[in-house]
Amino acid sequence: DAKTTQPPSMDCAEGRAANLPCNHSTISGNEYVYWYRQIHSQGPQYIIHGLKNNETNEMASLIITEDRKSSTLILPHATLRDTAVYYCIVRDIIQGAQKLVFGQGTRLTINP
Amino acid sequence: NAGVMQNPRHLVRRRGQEARLRCSPMKGHSHVYWYRQLPEEGLKFMVYLQKENIIDESGMPKERFSAEFPKEGPSILRIQQVVRGDSAAYFCASSPSRWDSYGYTFGSGTRLTVV
Repeated sequence: DAKTTQPPSMDCAEGRAANLPCNHSTISGNEYVYWYRQIHSQGPQYIIHGLKNNETNEMASLIITEDRKSSTLILPHATLRDTAVYYCIVRDIIQGAQKLVFGQGTRLTINP
Repeated sequence: NAGVMQNPRHLVRRRGQEARLRCSPMKGHSHVYWYRQLPEEGLKFMVYLQKENIIDESGMPKERFSAEFPKEGPSILRIQQVVRGDSAAYFCASSPSRWDSYGYTFGSGTRLTVV
């Protein structure tokens, strides 16, 4: 079972920042937070991941709370092509062979 | 630098036939994962393979489904005697090792339709 809770859907205006929340209150010390997205039934696409520090790459920023029980994915300037289902996943990479377990995700709709 | 290649992209089978889905991982990746996505549902893990070994098949249905990843060639997901409920998108992903922190790279999927 997925260890994360996300809102089922969100809307955002084009050009604005999209902030997607995720709760992972049972996260353990070795578990990373990953974000993937799936655009219209294509294969899931890796976005970003982090352990405890905030992370930023060319696609997004990841803000993890100090207690690590929740995080927020930020798409700074959303475009129509960012419309997708966004999945927040926790994964232990120290124990090894930990598969990615997808929940229901958040369906993000970017409106013109 | 090709990504994860899955073929065919679309596959139509009649009930009772066999379906073979192929997955070629990214160059340098020796770990392969198969996921299934039923219509309007999330992705469900099926099986994790390393070259010539099945590491985790906890998500595989007990009957009719099998997977292999031979020393040479692509990984194959085989579904025998398909039924309408097998209609789904099947995604393959690969990683260079089980401890790679960047997670997996996914292919574009094979859409199986059973008629």
